[in-house]
This record gives sequence, C-alpha cells and structure tokens, in this order.
Amino acid sequence: GQNIDQPTEMTATEGAIVQINCTYQTSGFNGLFWYQQHAGEAPTFLSYNVLDGLEEKGRFSSFLSRSKGYSYLLLKELQMKDSASYLCAVKGGSYIPTFGRGTSLIVHP
Amino acid sequence: DARVTQTPRHKVTEMGQEVTMRCQPILGHNTVFWYRQTMMQGLELLAYFRNRAPLDDSGMPKDRFSAEMPDATLATLKIQPSEPRDSAVYFCASGFDFSGADYGYTFGSGTRLTVV
Repeated sequence: GQNIDQPTEMTATEGAIVQINCTYQTSGFNGLFWYQQHAGEAPTFLSYNVLDGLEEKGRFSSFLSRSKGYSYLLLKELQMKDSASYLCAVKGGSYIPTFGRGTSLIVHP
Repeated sequence: DARVTQTPRHKVTEMGQEVTMRCQPILGHNTVFWYRQTMMQGLELLAYFRNRAPLDDSGMPKDRFSAEMPDATLATLKIQPSEPRDSAVYFCASGFDFSGADYGYTFGSGTRLTVV
C-alpha cells in the first residue's frame, strides 16, 4: 500500500515564503505530483517530479528526494490568492496517483 | 483551454435511487480516473481506465458502484442504490501517460452528490 503524510494546516504572511512538506512510503515509485485546490473547486496541476532535485516554475518550486521518500512545495512571494489546499500525490508501482489529505494554507495580510 | 466536462454539477437524490454521473475527458487523453472527495477521507480512487480498458476499480464498492467507458468521449459512474454515505464530490480526471513522461492530470469541476 501507500502512505502519504502532509501537515494539515499552515499559515503564512503575504509576501513571505512557505514550504509544504510531504513524506511518502510506496511500493514502487513513478513520480510525485503537487496540486492546488481552492475551496469548492477542482484540483489543478502544479508540478511533477520523477527525478531527484528541484523543479522551478515561477513562484512555485518542487523538490524530490526518492531515497528519503520526501518532497516539498516551495511558494515564494505569497499572495492572498495562494490560500488553498495543496495536495501531494504519489504514483506508485501501479501508476495510479494516490493523494495525501492535503495541506490547507492560509495566507494573511 | 481543453477541459474535462462533468455532468451534472449538483445532484440531490433520495436514498435508494440510481445516480449516473458523466464525464467527457479531454480529446486525445488515454487515461481516465474517477475519484471521490470527502472531508473525512480526502481524495479516494474509485476507478482507473487506460485506453478505455478498466485497470483498477479496487477502491469502488462493487455491490452498488459501476464505472464504464462506452467510448473515448464518455466515462460514466453509476451508483445503484444510492445511500446517504455516498454523499461526496465525485471528480473525473484525464491525462496522457506516455513512456513514463507525465504532465499531470486535468480534473473536471466535479459532481456534488447529496443523498437524503
């Protein structure tokens, strides 16, 4: 089976940097996704990592360490619109993405 | 922008009734998922299709749920009979898996189901 852990909730200040961690245990590994989900909306794709290292996309970056079963999503220059749930999902040996429970990020002025 | 279309957006039904949810995946995508989302359980996989073939439905209660892809433009999820515990948001997602490269999956807007 698969086990994915992320913090339930985080708060941060507008303009700051926040790091959302995700640890996982899987049978096989074929990639890790980060999704953003605003309240009442569908998840939207942010990033995909399959090799170790950092992937940068504008204000968002995602890091992966396969040996440690660890990833983080880094959000820079936080904006109020970044308040959302951030979902870590791992594609294991079955190639099916399993989602974590999500981290609710609250950005305040 | 290409999008995954789900219908209906909202459904309220009485316990025991049949519910059918429909999904039109993005043209050209070869992978379709059905997920259910609740506050308690988060996103749970119900069914997975690749090239219209069902590959995994182990997360789906077989006695009442069924998922099909009659053609490449339509995926359906049926619940018969529905129960109050089925109340949730049901998402369809599609994507294109190619030789290990992956660009994420696109989710539909979801069907919010309430069974009373």
